[in-house]
Amino acid sequence: EAGVTQFPSHSVIEKGQTVTLRCDPISGHDNLYWYRRVMGKEIKFLLHFVKESKQDESGMPNNRFLAERTGGTYSTLKVQPAELEDSGVYFCASSLKQGTNEKLFFGSGTQLSVL
Amino acid sequence: DAKTTQPNSMESNEEEPVHLPCNHSTISGTDYIHWYRQLPSQGPEYVIHGLTSNVNNRMASLAIAEDRKSSTLILHRATLRDAAVYYCILRDRGSNTGKLIFGQGTTLQVKP
Repeated sequence: EAGVTQFPSHSVIEKGQTVTLRCDPISGHDNLYWYRRVMGKEIKFLLHFVKESKQDESGMPNNRFLAERTGGTYSTLKVQPAELEDSGVYFCASSLKQGTNEKLFFGSGTQLSVL
Repeated sequence: DAKTTQPNSMESNEEEPVHLPCNHSTISGTDYIHWYRQLPSQGPEYVIHGLTSNVNNRMASLAIAEDRKSSTLILHRATLRDAAVYYCILRDRGSNTGKLIFGQGTTLQVKP
């Protein structure tokens, strides 16, 4: 069974450019999450989709970040325009069901470097 | 969410047991204790979780103190592949979201 896959694994862009990260969750997982770790900080929650709907986007840092999950399958996270402080590793995770027995399966992440 | 406290780092020898502690003195009665780990260059990986009773699975064991203010993740025989950052996370039983709050975790070094 394929795990959570993220594309690209690395992205290097200049400040002011746009970058789109993609996440393919495990097939059948309705829940999809985005997390990120910026330099020297802890892994932080960004948002949560249930199918195509945003359940919780309280962790999105500002309106330069746009997440979509059209059709309830894969998701994209667009940063426009990118700033230096956006550099870090962006993780996607998915799960089958919510609740206290929920297990999140994470992808390997996208390393984003904004120069 | 209640906070957890873990040592920054620990060392172990290969094939020996490892006990990774976690303090959560402000835990509420509805909080589950979850453990995830992050291997180098990978995303976090679920390890185990429990509420009150000790739990075992193929990866590890979780020992929960009677007052639930602390817990210990036990790796029975550490291997080099177990070198990772281990995160102890509390999740409310009533939570309907996978919003995990990660701390700094414990970096486990396994020596051959």
